[in-house]
Amino acid sequence: SQELEQSPQSLIVQEGKNLTINCTSSKTLYGLYWYKQKYGEGLIFLMMLQKGGEEKSHEKITAKLDEKKQQSSLHITASQPSHAGIYLCGADARGNTPLVFGKGTRLSVIA
Amino acid sequence: NAGVTQTPKFRILKIGQSMTLQCTQDMNHNYMYWYRQDPGMGLKLIYYSVGAGITDKGEVPNGYNVSRSTTEDFPLRLELAAPSQTSVYFCASSPGFYNEKLFFGSGTQLSVL
Repeated sequence: SQELEQSPQSLIVQEGKNLTINCTSSKTLYGLYWYKQKYGEGLIFLMMLQKGGEEKSHEKITAKLDEKKQQSSLHITASQPSHAGIYLCGADARGNTPLVFGKGTRLSVIA
Repeated sequence: NAGVTQTPKFRILKIGQSMTLQCTQDMNHNYMYWYRQDPGMGLKLIYYSVGAGITDKGEVPNGYNVSRSTTEDFPLRLELAAPSQTSVYFCASSPGFYNEKLFFGSGTQLSVL
């Protein structure tokens, strides 16, 4: 079965610092999705990556998918308290199955 | 624009009790899903449906049942609640599988004591 490894499990950063979260699969992916979950709430879609080498940005968040389509990174520039939450990567390994999710990375941003 | 609505938000059950978690969406999506989220374990797929009248098991279906009589509704039934079912449950919907993002409800926090 498809498994996604996320690292780190948790992260505490000072406001204004940059950070990176990684998501790794042992299999080539059809699509890689990043979601954010605020504590006690549902998941909000951030970005979807489909092509090897693809990179997308939204405000201060940039996501990349490597050429082999097995690893993705999520980079936050100049972190703010509003970035705090749990970041989950989700992936579809076959193109016709429900998303499988990683265990998540819990991000705290301190002043 | 309501999106995906889950009820109730919180519930405490005694061991052996039954209950139904409700999920409805107003986006006319064919695909709907139930996930559970345990602390530090990410999301695990319980059941999913690709259209009215069609359901299929996910990774952790034991102890649960679903039905899909309409496009809008996808209730999740717990017949004999067990402490192992203490979790946060999320319903989601999407237009399809491939290249389609999921829209999530706000979750139901269930405790079985």
